[in-house]
Amino acid sequence: EAQVTQNPRYLITVTGKKLTVTCSQNMNHEYMSWYRQDPGLGLRQIYYSMNVEVTDKGDVPEGYKVSRKEKRNFPLILESPSPNQTSLYFCASGVGSYEQYFGPGTRLTVT
Amino acid sequence: GIQVEQSPPDLILQEGANSTLRCNFSDSVNNLQWFHQNPWGQLINLFYIPSGTKQNGRLSATTVATERYSLLYISSSQTTDSGVYFCAVGPSGSRLTFGEGTQLTVNP
Repeated sequence: EAQVTQNPRYLITVTGKKLTVTCSQNMNHEYMSWYRQDPGLGLRQIYYSMNVEVTDKGDVPEGYKVSRKEKRNFPLILESPSPNQTSLYFCASGVGSYEQYFGPGTRLTVT
Repeated sequence: GIQVEQSPPDLILQEGANSTLRCNFSDSVNNLQWFHQNPWGQLINLFYIPSGTKQNGRLSATTVATERYSLLYISSSQTTDSGVYFCAVGPSGSRLTFGEGTQLTVNP
Protein backbone atom coordinates (compact mmCIF):
# COMPACT_ATOMS: atom_id res chain seq x y z
CA GLU A 1 0.00 0.00 0.00
CA ALA A 2 1.32 3.42 -1.03
CA GLN A 3 1.68 5.54 2.06
CA VAL A 4 3.55 8.11 4.10
CA THR A 5 4.22 7.09 7.68
CA GLN A 6 5.15 9.30 10.60
CA ASN A 7 6.37 8.38 14.05
CA PRO A 8 5.51 9.03 16.73
CA ARG A 9 1.87 9.98 16.22
CA TYR A 10 1.67 11.68 19.61
CA LEU A 11 4.47 13.11 21.72
CA ILE A 12 4.59 15.10 24.92
CA THR A 13 8.01 16.43 25.84
CA VAL A 14 9.70 19.14 27.87
CA THR A 15 11.43 22.31 26.78
CA GLY A 16 14.96 21.75 25.53
CA LYS A 17 14.88 17.99 25.12
CA LYS A 18 15.98 17.13 21.58
CA LEU A 19 13.52 15.08 19.55
CA THR A 20 13.14 13.63 16.08
CA VAL A 21 9.94 12.95 14.19
CA THR A 22 10.48 10.39 11.45
CA CYS A 23 8.81 10.39 8.04
CA SER A 24 9.04 7.62 5.50
CA GLN A 25 7.40 7.09 2.10
CA ASN A 26 7.26 4.00 -0.09
CA MET A 27 6.30 5.65 -3.39
CA ASN A 28 9.81 6.52 -4.61
CA HIS A 29 8.90 10.22 -4.58
CA GLU A 30 11.68 12.71 -4.98
CA TYR A 31 9.84 15.54 -3.23
CA MET A 32 9.17 15.58 0.51
CA SER A 33 8.04 18.34 2.82
CA TRP A 34 7.16 19.15 6.42
CA TYR A 35 4.26 21.37 7.53
CA ARG A 36 2.90 22.49 10.84
CA GLN A 37 -0.78 23.17 11.42
CA ASP A 38 -1.99 25.59 14.06
CA PRO A 39 -5.56 26.75 14.74
CA GLY A 40 -6.52 29.73 12.60
CA LEU A 41 -3.25 29.62 10.63
CA GLY A 42 -3.79 26.75 8.21
CA LEU A 43 -0.70 24.78 7.26
CA ARG A 44 2.70 26.40 7.06
CA GLN A 45 5.66 24.87 5.29
CA ILE A 46 8.73 24.26 7.45
CA TYR A 47 11.24 22.63 5.10
CA TYR A 48 11.12 20.77 1.82
CA SER A 49 13.43 18.55 -0.17
CA MET A 50 13.48 18.21 -3.94
CA ASN A 51 15.75 15.16 -3.83
CA VAL A 52 18.37 13.34 -1.76
CA GLU A 53 20.82 15.75 -0.13
CA VAL A 54 18.77 18.75 -1.38
CA THR A 55 16.77 20.63 1.25
CA ASP A 56 15.46 24.16 1.49
CA LYS A 57 13.60 26.40 3.91
CA GLY A 58 9.90 26.95 3.81
CA ASP A 59 8.03 29.76 5.53
CA VAL A 60 8.73 28.82 9.16
CA PRO A 61 12.09 26.99 9.42
CA GLU A 62 13.34 28.56 12.67
CA GLY A 63 13.97 25.99 15.38
CA TYR A 64 13.86 23.00 13.03
CA LYS A 65 16.39 20.93 11.12
CA VAL A 66 15.93 18.28 8.46
CA SER A 67 18.08 15.84 6.57
CA ARG A 68 17.58 13.80 3.40
CA LYS A 69 20.16 11.06 3.26
CA GLU A 70 17.86 8.55 1.57
CA LYS A 71 15.03 9.10 -0.85
CA ARG A 72 12.42 7.43 1.37
CA ASN A 73 13.18 9.20 4.68
CA PHE A 74 12.91 12.84 5.72
CA PRO A 75 13.20 13.27 9.52
CA LEU A 76 12.31 16.50 11.30
CA ILE A 77 14.63 17.40 14.14
CA LEU A 78 13.90 19.80 16.97
CA GLU A 79 17.24 20.42 18.67
CA SER A 80 15.82 22.42 21.59
CA PRO A 81 12.01 22.36 21.51
CA SER A 82 10.08 25.27 22.95
CA PRO A 83 6.38 25.59 23.85
CA ASN A 84 5.70 27.63 20.68
CA GLN A 85 6.54 24.50 18.68
CA THR A 86 3.51 22.75 20.13
CA SER A 87 1.58 21.91 16.98
CA LEU A 88 0.27 19.26 14.62
CA TYR A 89 2.97 18.26 12.14
CA PHE A 90 2.45 16.72 8.71
CA CYS A 91 4.95 15.14 6.39
CA ALA A 92 4.14 14.87 2.69
CA SER A 93 5.73 13.40 -0.41
CA GLY A 94 4.99 13.75 -4.09
CA VAL A 95 6.12 14.33 -7.61
CA GLY A 96 7.21 17.92 -7.12
CA SER A 97 4.62 19.46 -4.84
CA TYR A 98 1.92 19.08 -7.47
CA GLU A 99 0.20 16.04 -6.02
CA GLN A 100 1.16 15.46 -2.46
CA TYR A 101 0.43 12.51 -0.25
CA PHE A 102 0.24 13.39 3.40
CA GLY A 103 1.14 11.34 6.43
CA PRO A 104 -1.33 10.93 9.31
CA GLY A 105 0.19 13.73 11.38
CA THR A 106 2.17 13.97 14.63
CA ARG A 107 0.67 15.89 17.53
CA LEU A 108 3.51 17.42 19.54
CA THR A 109 3.14 19.10 22.91
CA VAL A 110 6.12 20.88 24.46
CA THR A 111 5.70 21.81 28.13
CA GLY B 1 5.35 36.35 0.40
CA ILE B 2 2.17 35.32 -1.32
CA GLN B 3 -1.04 35.99 0.61
CA VAL B 4 -3.91 33.51 0.34
CA GLU B 5 -7.42 34.34 1.46
CA GLN B 6 -10.25 31.81 1.57
CA SER B 7 -13.94 32.47 1.95
CA PRO B 8 -16.22 31.82 3.62
CA PRO B 9 -14.40 30.73 6.78
CA ASP B 10 -17.36 28.57 7.81
CA LEU B 11 -20.19 27.01 5.85
CA ILE B 12 -23.10 24.89 7.05
CA LEU B 13 -25.22 23.01 4.50
CA GLN B 14 -28.00 20.50 4.36
CA GLU B 15 -27.23 17.28 2.56
CA GLY B 16 -27.93 17.68 -1.16
CA ALA B 17 -27.12 21.37 -1.35
CA ASN B 18 -24.49 22.90 -3.61
CA SER B 19 -21.69 25.20 -2.49
CA THR B 20 -18.89 27.37 -3.82
CA LEU B 21 -15.65 28.00 -1.95
CA ARG B 22 -13.34 30.80 -3.00
CA CYS B 23 -9.57 31.29 -2.86
CA ASN B 24 -7.96 34.66 -3.62
CA PHE B 25 -4.21 35.02 -3.92
CA SER B 26 -1.98 38.05 -4.07
CA ASP B 27 0.57 37.19 -6.76
CA SER B 28 1.05 35.17 -9.92
CA VAL B 29 1.38 31.47 -9.24
CA ASN B 30 2.33 28.38 -11.21
CA ASN B 31 1.01 26.00 -8.61
CA LEU B 32 -2.45 25.95 -7.06
CA GLN B 33 -3.98 23.02 -5.26
CA TRP B 34 -7.11 22.26 -3.29
CA PHE B 35 -7.02 19.90 -0.32
CA HIS B 36 -9.64 18.37 1.93
CA GLN B 37 -8.93 17.63 5.59
CA ASN B 38 -11.52 15.22 6.95
CA PRO B 39 -12.77 15.32 10.54
CA TRP B 40 -10.12 12.74 11.50
CA GLY B 41 -7.34 15.01 10.31
CA GLN B 42 -6.36 13.22 7.12
CA LEU B 43 -5.33 15.52 4.25
CA ILE B 44 -6.28 14.57 0.72
CA ASN B 45 -5.21 16.29 -2.48
CA LEU B 46 -8.31 17.17 -4.53
CA PHE B 47 -7.03 19.17 -7.50
CA TYR B 48 -3.89 20.57 -8.97
CA ILE B 49 -5.28 23.50 -10.95
CA PRO B 50 -3.05 26.53 -11.66
CA SER B 51 -5.46 27.53 -14.44
CA GLY B 52 -8.58 26.30 -16.19
CA THR B 53 -11.29 23.95 -15.00
CA LYS B 54 -11.24 20.38 -13.75
CA GLN B 55 -13.94 18.04 -12.54
CA ASN B 56 -13.87 14.93 -10.42
CA GLY B 57 -17.27 13.48 -9.67
CA ARG B 58 -19.30 15.96 -7.64
CA LEU B 59 -16.36 18.29 -7.22
CA SER B 60 -15.03 20.73 -9.72
CA ALA B 61 -12.57 23.60 -9.60
CA THR B 62 -11.89 26.64 -11.71
CA THR B 63 -8.87 28.93 -11.54
CA VAL B 64 -8.75 32.32 -13.25
CA ALA B 65 -5.05 32.99 -12.96
CA THR B 66 -5.20 36.47 -14.53
CA GLU B 67 -7.65 37.58 -11.83
CA ARG B 68 -5.90 35.63 -9.05
CA TYR B 69 -8.71 33.51 -7.75
CA SER B 70 -9.88 29.93 -7.72
CA LEU B 71 -13.27 28.41 -6.97
CA LEU B 72 -14.12 24.96 -5.67
CA TYR B 73 -17.63 23.72 -6.39
CA ILE B 74 -19.27 20.95 -4.41
CA SER B 75 -22.55 19.68 -5.81
CA SER B 76 -25.14 17.50 -4.09
CA SER B 77 -23.15 17.63 -0.87
CA GLN B 78 -22.94 14.60 1.40
CA THR B 79 -22.09 14.32 5.08
CA THR B 80 -18.76 12.79 4.08
CA ASP B 81 -17.84 16.11 2.45
CA SER B 82 -17.57 17.67 5.90
CA GLY B 83 -14.17 18.92 6.97
CA VAL B 84 -11.81 21.74 6.12
CA TYR B 85 -11.00 22.71 2.55
CA PHE B 86 -7.65 24.34 1.95
CA CYS B 87 -6.33 26.21 -1.03
CA ALA B 88 -2.54 26.28 -1.43
CA VAL B 89 -0.50 28.26 -3.92
CA GLY B 90 3.11 28.66 -4.94
CA PRO B 91 5.40 30.08 -7.58
CA SER B 92 6.66 26.66 -8.60
CA GLY B 93 6.63 23.00 -7.69
CA SER B 94 8.46 23.40 -4.41
CA ARG B 95 7.00 26.08 -2.13
CA LEU B 96 3.38 26.08 -1.05
CA THR B 97 1.47 28.67 0.97
CA PHE B 98 -1.84 27.56 2.42
CA GLY B 99 -4.92 29.61 3.14
CA GLU B 100 -6.65 29.36 6.49
CA GLY B 101 -9.30 27.06 5.10
CA THR B 102 -13.08 26.83 4.89
CA GLN B 103 -14.75 24.69 7.55
CA LEU B 104 -17.63 22.86 5.88
CA THR B 105 -20.33 21.07 7.85
CA VAL B 106 -22.92 19.04 5.96
CA ASN B 107 -25.91 18.05 8.06
CA PRO B 108 -28.07 15.01 7.23
